[in-house]
Amino acid sequence: DAGVTQSPTHLIKTRGQQVTLRCSPKSGHDTVSWYQQALGQGPQFIFQYYEEEERQRGNFPDRFSGHQFPNYSSELNVNALLLGDSALYLCASSTPGTSGGNEQFFGPGTRLTVL
Amino acid sequence: GQSLEQPSEVTAVEGAIVQINCTYQTSGFYGLSWYQQHDGGAPTFLSYNALDGLEETGRFSSFLSRSDSYGYLLLQELQMKDSASYFCAVNRGSTLGRLYFGRGTQLTVWP
Repeated sequence: DAGVTQSPTHLIKTRGQQVTLRCSPKSGHDTVSWYQQALGQGPQFIFQYYEEEERQRGNFPDRFSGHQFPNYSSELNVNALLLGDSALYLCASSTPGTSGGNEQFFGPGTRLTVL
Repeated sequence: GQSLEQPSEVTAVEGAIVQINCTYQTSGFYGLSWYQQHDGGAPTFLSYNALDGLEETGRFSSFLSRSDSYGYLLLQELQMKDSASYFCAVNRGSTLGRLYFGRGTQLTVWP
């Protein structure tokens, strides 16, 4: 049973560019959440997708957008990249029936570096 | 808004017991979770408390007091492999799970 997978593992972009990160949830999970983790910090909630809709959103600008597909996989898009967007981007999957959605399974993350 | 406070670092020796405290201020509180993250790794779920009291899972236990906006993670019989960052996280999003994480506590276990 595959866990949460993310691609790519690492990515280097320059300021102003756009990036797309991908996530496949754990088998049986239908909810995908995205987090940004800066070095030495805790993960910060970006947004969450359920039934192909953005259900909740954290305090991130509109440059951050996403999508969920019918197979529950998800993409995170970031436009007009800034140096401050350099971070580890984590995807987590869950299902409302699992500890009320609190037991989230995280992928290994995508390390984004913006130069 | 919300805030979570936890110590930045804790050190202990193998076999010892460590308690990592977490205090929070938030609206829309549904529960408190704990996650472990090794360097370069993904956060992994340890425990969740929705109600007051103690939850025990093997060597790890977690406690919550909703009236005090306080919780802790208790690690017993520490092992070297327990060296990692530990995060408390508040769920503000009901059944779908919208987690807000603290800044983490770096635990170092010495032989």
